[in-house]
Amino acid sequence: GENVEQHPSTLSVQEGDSAVIKCTYSDSASNYFPWYKQELGKGPQLIIDIRSNVGEKKDQRIAVTLNKTAKHFSLHITETQPEDSAVYFCAVGSNSGYALNFGKGTSLLVTP
Amino acid sequence: NAGVMQNPRHLVRRRGQEARLRCSPMKGHSHVYWYRQLPEEGLKFMVYLQKENIIDESGMPKERFSAEFPKEGPSILRIQQVVRGDSAAYFCASLSGRANTEAFFGQGTRLTVV
Repeated sequence: GENVEQHPSTLSVQEGDSAVIKCTYSDSASNYFPWYKQELGKGPQLIIDIRSNVGEKKDQRIAVTLNKTAKHFSLHITETQPEDSAVYFCAVGSNSGYALNFGKGTSLLVTP
Repeated sequence: NAGVMQNPRHLVRRRGQEARLRCSPMKGHSHVYWYRQLPEEGLKFMVYLQKENIIDESGMPKERFSAEFPKEGPSILRIQQVVRGDSAAYFCASLSGRANTEAFFGQGTRLTVV
């Protein structure tokens, strides 16, 4: 099945700096790549997603880039704020299956 | 997403009891996922359902666990004869269409088995 690796597992940045989280996947048939933010005690919230026919997508301070050849995609958060502190999960979906397969998460801490 | 309602939010069961977790998807959504999350781990796929159909249950333990999504009413994840290892957060997500469209998660049910 699909193997999703996510790095780093923890990330600490100062407010205003950028944060980058990377994920790799194994199934070349994968074509859907969402990112979720999970705050303590809450459910994961979809923050951005990208499909395999697009290389980059941006939404205000958040961007996702996809390299299909290398089978990796990254989440970029610019001008980080303390409210960005949370656990971020990447996920991968494929037309060859139904499950979204998740990475193990990155705990992001933004310090003032 | 506030549109996906899960209840109860917290559930405590003694070993051997049954746990029933409910999920009402967003209005107009006819597909749901169930996922399990252990402390400090990612989300593990359990089952994908369409109304009145189990599409993919490859992530479900072979015994004690079952799921349904009836024509009317919420989706139910049922765990029979719970054991301590079943303690986890269980999340449901709803989708407007088939897999690989946007999935919106509920707040989860935190099951504790004592």
